[in-house]
Amino acid sequence: KQEVTQIPAALSVPEGENLVLNCSFTDSAIYNLQWFRQDPGKGLTSLLLIQSSQREQTSGRLNASLDKSSGRSTLYIAASQPGDSATYLCAVRNQAGTALIFGKGTTLSVSS
Amino acid sequence: GAVVSQHPSRVICKSGTSVKIECRSLDFQATTMFWYRQFPKQSLMLMATSNEGSKATYEQGVEKDKFLINHASLTLSTLTVTSAHPEDSSFYICSAGGHSLITGELFFGEGSRLTVL
Repeated sequence: KQEVTQIPAALSVPEGENLVLNCSFTDSAIYNLQWFRQDPGKGLTSLLLIQSSQREQTSGRLNASLDKSSGRSTLYIAASQPGDSATYLCAVRNQAGTALIFGKGTTLSVSS
Repeated sequence: GAVVSQHPSRVICKSGTSVKIECRSLDFQATTMFWYRQFPKQSLMLMATSNEGSKATYEQGVEKDKFLINHASLTLSTLTVTSAHPEDSSFYICSAGGHSLITGELFFGEGSRLTVL
């Protein structure tokens, strides 16, 4: 059974710092991996989608990498801003047609 | 990206009543929809998978008679919480995917916060 783990559970950084959020999954035979952002009391905002054949994806200040063989993904946030404060969720999809399996998230706080 | 709309966003009901939540794919045909539940400060837990025209597949520990899921069309799935009790209070989120979405990305509704008094 696929399990997704995110480390750290919480992170506080000053504005401007670069940071890395980690995600690991137990079954490396994944279909794709998505990173999401969730603000308190809100739904999910999709940040990046990485297909199993890809190594990384970039969007603005965000870069997500995937090492399928080792069961790891990282989300790199450059030049963090207070508006980046949110919970970041990593989720993997084992096969086409199946659901995303979520980690517990990393709650990020960026202070000005 | 594709749009998934969920309604209502908030609902408060008395214990013992039933509540229906709708999930619509607005610009694509959702062959598969997923329903998740999220308790405070917890992650999203998959409740069930529904394919259009078929019975939903429920995850272990989810009562199918309590959480009725209908996916009668390619753009609409509904979750009905029957005889709701305070312990059913949670954030319910739907997700949809379709054959037309070649990237295999899943799109999420805005979520529905259920409070049972």
